[in-house]
Amino acid sequence: AQSVTQLGSHVSVSEGALVLLRCNYSSSVPPYLFWYVQYPNQGLQLLLKYTSAATLVKGINGFEAEFKKSETSFHLTKPSAHMSDAAEYFCAVSEDFGNEKLTFGTGTRLTIIP
Amino acid sequence: DAGVTQSPTHLIKTRGQQVTLRCSPKSGHDTVSWYQQALGQGPQFIFQYYEEEERQRGNFPDRFSGHQFPNYSSELNVNALLLGDSALYLCASSLATGAPNSPLHFGNGTRLTVT
Repeated sequence: AQSVTQLGSHVSVSEGALVLLRCNYSSSVPPYLFWYVQYPNQGLQLLLKYTSAATLVKGINGFEAEFKKSETSFHLTKPSAHMSDAAEYFCAVSEDFGNEKLTFGTGTRLTIIP
Repeated sequence: DAGVTQSPTHLIKTRGQQVTLRCSPKSGHDTVSWYQQALGQGPQFIFQYYEEEERQRGNFPDRFSGHQFPNYSSELNVNALLLGDSALYLCASSLATGAPNSPLHFGNGTRLTVT
C-alpha cells in the first residue's frame, strides 16, 4: 500500500521568507505524487504533480517540488512567501498516473507572519 | 465554465438517519470521485463512478453507497449515520479519456454534522 507522511502539521514563516513543506512517501512501485492546496471553506486545488518526466516540478503560484528517490521525498518549496499563501497543503500519492484514487497526507497548515 | 458544484453546502443530521449528497461535475467531465475529509485530516477516498458504475472503492463500509446518472452527476448516500460520519465530503471530477493529463477538479464540499 502506498502512503505519504507530512512532517509538521503547522508551519509558520515570515512574509518574504522561504517556504518548505515536507512530504515523504512510501511506495512499492514508482509513485505519482501531487501537492494540493486548500483554502478555508473550499475544495482542493492542484498545485503541481510528479509524473516521472522531470524530478523538479514547477507548479502554480510560484511553488515547486523536487522528487528525490534516494530520500523518498517530495518537498514543496517557494522562495518568497506571500500572505495569500496561508492555507492547508496536502501531499498525495496515486498508484498509477491517471488514477483518481489518491492517498492524502494529514496536511500542513501554513501561516504567514506579516 | 461551471466547476464542480455540490449541494447542500451544510447539513445536520441525527444518528441513525440517512443522507444524500449531490455533485455535478465540471462541464465536459465524465468521472466522479468522492472523498471524506474528517476535521484535521486529509481526504480519504470513498469511491469513484464512471459510466454509471462504481469503478473503484476505498475502505468504507457498505453504509456508503453512490450513484451516477446519465448526465454524469452523482449522489453519495450514507445510511445509519454515526457520529464519526461527521466530515467534509468532497466531490472531484475528471475526464477518463483525458488521463493522464486530466487533473482532478474538486468541489467546495458538503459539511455534514451528525448529532
